[in-house]
Amino acid sequence: GAVVSQHPSWVICKSGTSVKIECRSLDFQATTMFWYRQFPKQSLMLMATSNEGSKATYEQGVEKDKFLINHASLTLSTLTVTSAHPEDSSFYICSAEIPANYGYTFGSGTRLTVV
Amino acid sequence: AQSVTQPDIHITVSEGASLELRCNYSYGATPYLFWYVQSPGQGLQLLLKYFSGDTLVQGIKGFEAEFKRSQSSFNLRKPSVHWSDAAEYFCAVGAKDSSYKLIFGSGTRLLVRP
Repeated sequence: GAVVSQHPSWVICKSGTSVKIECRSLDFQATTMFWYRQFPKQSLMLMATSNEGSKATYEQGVEKDKFLINHASLTLSTLTVTSAHPEDSSFYICSAEIPANYGYTFGSGTRLTVV
Repeated sequence: AQSVTQPDIHITVSEGASLELRCNYSYGATPYLFWYVQSPGQGLQLLLKYFSGDTLVQGIKGFEAEFKRSQSSFNLRKPSVHWSDAAEYFCAVGAKDSSYKLIFGSGTRLLVRP
């Protein structure tokens, strides 16, 4: 149980275009989801916390206009990288808080390459 | 604010040898502590977690960790390492502030010698 599905697993896009990444909780309702970014051989950096039905809370230094987060339902959160540039190339991972479990489950990640 | 330190960037052990990965945290109250493992290009898999109670926590794949409040540590151990354990290991601390955020350490890459 408590599975999060993240799509796509990898995407290549041209500079200046936008890319949407989806994170779905398959067998539970995820009130709170988190988006992380991971550079090669580095740790996961929390980008933002998304709560269903409200605006996301972004960490310091993360551009909210560039990384649009929508959490319109209890099973879906999306991250849209707008006007992507090569420096946005990274591994993006979503996570959901598991209700009444004090735990988190993670998606399998999305490798974004901007060319 | 909470923080996590994993002082070892990488560790190499021989297959069958014991393993200990270090983790130190900083948080004002009792933290929620986690260990995750990540294979290349993959998401994270939870090995174990600590919230309260017994300070020695058993996890999956034969791993265990011990919470030591006096040392602000949550070291991960395994008595006998298998080649399949080679991966990146992350320690994380969670805290219930306005949101329930997980903050990760920088990770330790485990290499296993045959």
